[in-house]
Amino acid sequence: AQSVSQHNHHVILSEAASLELGCNYSYGGTVNLFWYVQYPGQHLQLLLKYFSGDPLVKGIKGFEAEFIKSKFSFNLRKPSVQWSDTAEYFCAVNAPYSWGKFQFGAGTQVVVTP
Amino acid sequence: ETGVTQTPRHLVMGMTNKKSLKCEQHLGHNAMYWYKQSAKKPLELMFVYNFKEQTENNSVPSRFSPECPNSSHLFLHLHTLQPEDSALYLCASSQEAQTSGRDTGELFFGEGSRLTVL
Repeated sequence: AQSVSQHNHHVILSEAASLELGCNYSYGGTVNLFWYVQYPGQHLQLLLKYFSGDPLVKGIKGFEAEFIKSKFSFNLRKPSVQWSDTAEYFCAVNAPYSWGKFQFGAGTQVVVTP
Repeated sequence: ETGVTQTPRHLVMGMTNKKSLKCEQHLGHNAMYWYKQSAKKPLELMFVYNFKEQTENNSVPSRFSPECPNSSHLFLHLHTLQPEDSALYLCASSQEAQTSGRDTGELFFGEGSRLTVL
């Protein structure tokens, strides 16, 4: 069965600091990879996704993620965070042909202090 | 506005009550989902409906009963719940490929129904 592991449950950093959130998955075959974000009081929304091609994926709000197949990883990065990036971030995986059965990580709560 | 609307946003019920959660999507998608979100745990997939047909029941107890009358509406009927069922219940929809294809659609989530079981 697929599983998704997010290394940090809680991250606190200052504005303008760089952010990297780790995500590892266990699945032997080809996968689709996603990062979702949940701002306080809001719904989960897609930050970025990877299906194939260039392993460096750019998403909204200056976020990017790199797929490293050999490490089964899909880490999320942002060079310089803002206070408005305070949110919970979820990594998710699904297999092709799976009709949308996503496996989510437990989430990482990110707090950006002014 | 997410295109996926859930009601009620908050629900408090006793263990002997019967209640229902409702989800409606305005995106023209063909697949709908119920997820359970508990603190510090991964989102748990509960049910999947494709073209109104249930294609996944992820070992969910029978006290949760889904209903999908059409591709735009999804219900979760609740009966004799336990306090440990208290959680945020999320509805999502997606546009799935109708033939085998890699590009499964992203999930669009509602804002959730916060359930408290006393």
